[in-house]
Amino acid sequence: KAGVTQTPRYLIKTRGQQVTLSCSPISGHRSVSWYQQTPGQGLQFLFEYFSETQRNKGNFPGRFSGRQFSNSRSEMNVSTLELGDSALYLCASSPDSVGQPQHFGDGTRLSIL
Amino acid sequence: QKEVEQNSGPLSVPEGAIASLNCTYSDRGSQSFFWYRQYSGKSPELIMSIYSNGDKEDGRFTAQLNKASQYVSLLIRDSQPSDSATYLCAVYRLTGGFKTIFGAGTRLFVKA
Repeated sequence: KAGVTQTPRYLIKTRGQQVTLSCSPISGHRSVSWYQQTPGQGLQFLFEYFSETQRNKGNFPGRFSGRQFSNSRSEMNVSTLELGDSALYLCASSPDSVGQPQHFGDGTRLSIL
Repeated sequence: QKEVEQNSGPLSVPEGAIASLNCTYSDRGSQSFFWYRQYSGKSPELIMSIYSNGDKEDGRFTAQLNKASQYVSLLIRDSQPSDSATYLCAVYRLTGGFKTIFGAGTRLFVKA
């Protein structure tokens, strides 16, 4: 069974640009969560989608948004990029959203110049 | 108070010893508890899940949960240099929204 796939693996952008990251969950998994990981802050929850609906949102500004498609694939968008957005963005999937373990993709490393 | 607290370490143990990693959480309504291992430059990898009080063993790993004390731990027996990584404790809570909260992680270093 294929794991969680995130694309692209690496991205370099400049301040003010926007970026879209993609995540394909494990087949059959309907819940997709996104996290930002930085050395100083650890894993910070961005949002979770389940059956195309945002179930939860973390404490990030509105520049961070996401969506989920009917095939459970998810995208995350960050607009008006800032230097502080440089981080590893991780996607994790689980069969549903109720207390089951999440499985992570390899992440997208975003660097803002 | 952080929702999930771990000692940041580094925790250094000699090869063959038992490594003990600890985690406390603040939400008594938390239901599910996980341990992830993260190697430098890699994504977190699930190594243990535990849902009820007591011990759960899987190979060299034992997870222990005490809901009354809001405490979960991970023991690694016969530690190997390949176990050197950051170990993340994660707690699934129901109050304030259904979500998994991660601790900041404990860095483990196993000396050969």
